[in-house]
Amino acid sequence: QQQVKQSPQSLIVQKGGIPIINCAYENTAFDYFPWYQQFPGKGPALLIAIRPDVSEKKEGRFTISFNKSAKQFSLHIMDSQPGDSATYFCAASTRGAQKLVFGQGTRLTINP
Amino acid sequence: DSGVTQTPKHLITATGQRVTLRCSPRSGDLSVYWYQQSLDQGLQFLIQYYNGEERAKGNILERFSAQQFPDLHSELNLSSLELGDSALYFCASSATRTETSEQYFGPGTRLTVT
Repeated sequence: QQQVKQSPQSLIVQKGGIPIINCAYENTAFDYFPWYQQFPGKGPALLIAIRPDVSEKKEGRFTISFNKSAKQFSLHIMDSQPGDSATYFCAASTRGAQKLVFGQGTRLTINP
Repeated sequence: DSGVTQTPKHLITATGQRVTLRCSPRSGDLSVYWYQQSLDQGLQFLIQYYNGEERAKGNILERFSAQQFPDLHSELNLSSLELGDSALYFCASSATRTETSEQYFGPGTRLTVT
């Protein structure tokens, strides 16, 4: 019940395309859903996060869509660029238990 | 740059040895978290400290221990090292204790056990 399932494992998109990464969870107590971006040799960097009281959040070219009834959330990257090539992790946590439960990660490649 | 610092960047040691990983949180952050990243297990939460006190424990082995000092830096101690302990170890920090808030990760320590 603590798992967060992420798909796909890897994704290749042409420059300008819109990669979509999906995550699903079981624990309805999760109330915070961040996305992290990780480049090789670096630590995960917080990209954008959402709470279940909203269905969508946009920050720059990054958008989270959240479906509470389906217990799913996804990351969309608009106008993707080669510099967006990285591994993306979704995560979830509960109020009062701040540990992040991570998905398995998606290796995204944006071809020029 | 997240503002979280970790030392050393790389560590190579032999099985059976003990190592200490160090983390300094972002200025003003009271919570420190330790995570392990390995190819087969992904990113796994190990332990959290808040203002010097242990707050939560995850999948942390008994051979591993941590502490947070009065200046808020934290150390993760790994002993009786095994080959399977080879991984990236990340420290993260956040501002609050009870409210879920953003966690900012350091650059990590790559541990190689030979």
